[in-house]
Amino acid sequence: GDSVTQTEGLVTLTEGLPVMLNCTYQTIYSNPFLFWYVHYLNESPRLLLKSSTDNKRTEHQGFHATLHKSSSSFHLQKSSAQLSDSALYYCALSDQTGFASALTFGSGTKVIVLP
Amino acid sequence: GPKVLQIPSHQIIDMGQMVTLNCDPVSNHLYFYWYKQILGQQMEFLVNFYNGKVMEKSKLFKDQFSVERPDGSYFTLKIQPTALEDSAVYFCASSPPGGRSAETLYFGSGTRLTVL
Repeated sequence: GDSVTQTEGLVTLTEGLPVMLNCTYQTIYSNPFLFWYVHYLNESPRLLLKSSTDNKRTEHQGFHATLHKSSSSFHLQKSSAQLSDSALYYCALSDQTGFASALTFGSGTKVIVLP
Repeated sequence: GPKVLQIPSHQIIDMGQMVTLNCDPVSNHLYFYWYKQILGQQMEFLVNFYNGKVMEKSKLFKDQFSVERPDGSYFTLKIQPTALEDSAVYFCASSPPGGRSAETLYFGSGTRLTVL
C-alpha cells in the first residue's frame, strides 16, 4: 500500500533561520496528490499546501513545496521561520484526484521555533 | 474559515461499553471521514462516507465500528463494544463537493477516547 515517510520527528531552530521538512512517498499510482497539513496545539489540523503537478512550486503563507515525482518527494520549506510556525507538520498522500479518497499520513514533524 | 466541530473533546469509558463520537461537519460539505491517531503515531484513515453510504474503509474499521449521518444531523462513529486498543484520538473531517476541492479535508480538533 501507499506510504509516506517524514524523517525528522523533531526540528528545533532559531527564529529567522530557514527550515526544511522532508517528505518522501511510495505509491503505485502515477498521479498522486500530496499535501502538507499543519496542526497547532489545541487547534484542528488544517491544510497548508497541496499539489499534484510535477516540478511546480506551490506556495502558501510563506511556505513552499515542489512535487518531484522522479524522487517521490514533497519537501516543505520556509526561508525564515517565525515563532508562530511552531506546530506539528504532517505530509500526506492521496492516490486519486477529484475524488474523496483516503489520505495516507506521515508520522509528522514537530517544529519548535525558539527566539 | 469553515469549522468542523467534534463533541465531546474527551471521553472515558469502560471496556465493553458502547461509545458514540459526534461530528458536526461544515454545512455544505458532502464527504465525511474518520481518522484515528494513537498517541505518538500518525493519523490513520478509518472510513469515508458519502450520500448515506460508506465508500471506503480500512482494516482498522473493525466490525464493532459503524458510521451514520441520519437526516443531515451529526456524522457519528459508534464503537460497540469498545476494546482497550480503541484508545486514541479520533478526528472527524469533511470535504466540499466535486472536483479537486473534494481533496481538501477540514478537520475537527479531535475526540480523545480512553478505554479503561
